[in-house]
Amino acid sequence: EDKVVQSPLSLVVHEGDTVTLNCSYEVTNFRSLLWYKQEKKAPTFLFMLTSSGIEKKSGRLSSILDKKELSSILNITATQTGDSAIYLCAVAGGSEKLVFGKGTKLTVNP
Amino acid sequence: DGGITQSPKYLFRKEGQNVTLSCEQNLNHDAMYWYRQDPGQGLRLIYYSQIVNDFQKGDIAEGYSVSREKKESFPLTVTSAQKNPTAFYLCASSTNRGGSNQPQHFGDGTRLSIL
Repeated sequence: EDKVVQSPLSLVVHEGDTVTLNCSYEVTNFRSLLWYKQEKKAPTFLFMLTSSGIEKKSGRLSSILDKKELSSILNITATQTGDSAIYLCAVAGGSEKLVFGKGTKLTVNP
Repeated sequence: DGGITQSPKYLFRKEGQNVTLSCEQNLNHDAMYWYRQDPGQGLRLIYYSQIVNDFQKGDIAEGYSVSREKKESFPLTVTSAQKNPTAFYLCASSTNRGGSNQPQHFGDGTRLSIL
């Protein structure tokens, strides 16, 4: 059975800190790994990592895929209160379905 | 603007009642999905559809039903057989061009509670 595990489940930091969120997976015929940010409602897409694109960066956010270790990290530098959200990791395998982890709840205090 | 619209935002179900959650997209996406989100549980797939008039069960389909009569619409019915329906329901869509890798985009969700 395909599985995605995120850690930590919850994290509290102060503004300006750097955080690293982890995602590990076991999936048949890996195709891609996706990161989403969920504030109150709809998860919004952040990055998609594949075998041909193992590193992505956008502003203060960056993500790396380690296919050997079957894992990915999401880094956020110089955190702001607006970064407070649940960060979801999902993996696409041989089927057309995404398998989601339970998410990491990040709280950034001023 | 293109997007995914879910309605209603909040819904209350009485005992023994079926309720239907609406999901409409104008992104011209082929594939549509329904997820259930419980606190601390992440997203779990209920049903998905890759093409009109066809859909497949996800991991937790029991007590739910769907239809896909039009490309733009993928309504979810929560039946009385679903004994624990209180949750946040999210609809998503994506392009599906011959197995290409495309991210799913989500609606704003419907929060369902039992009266």
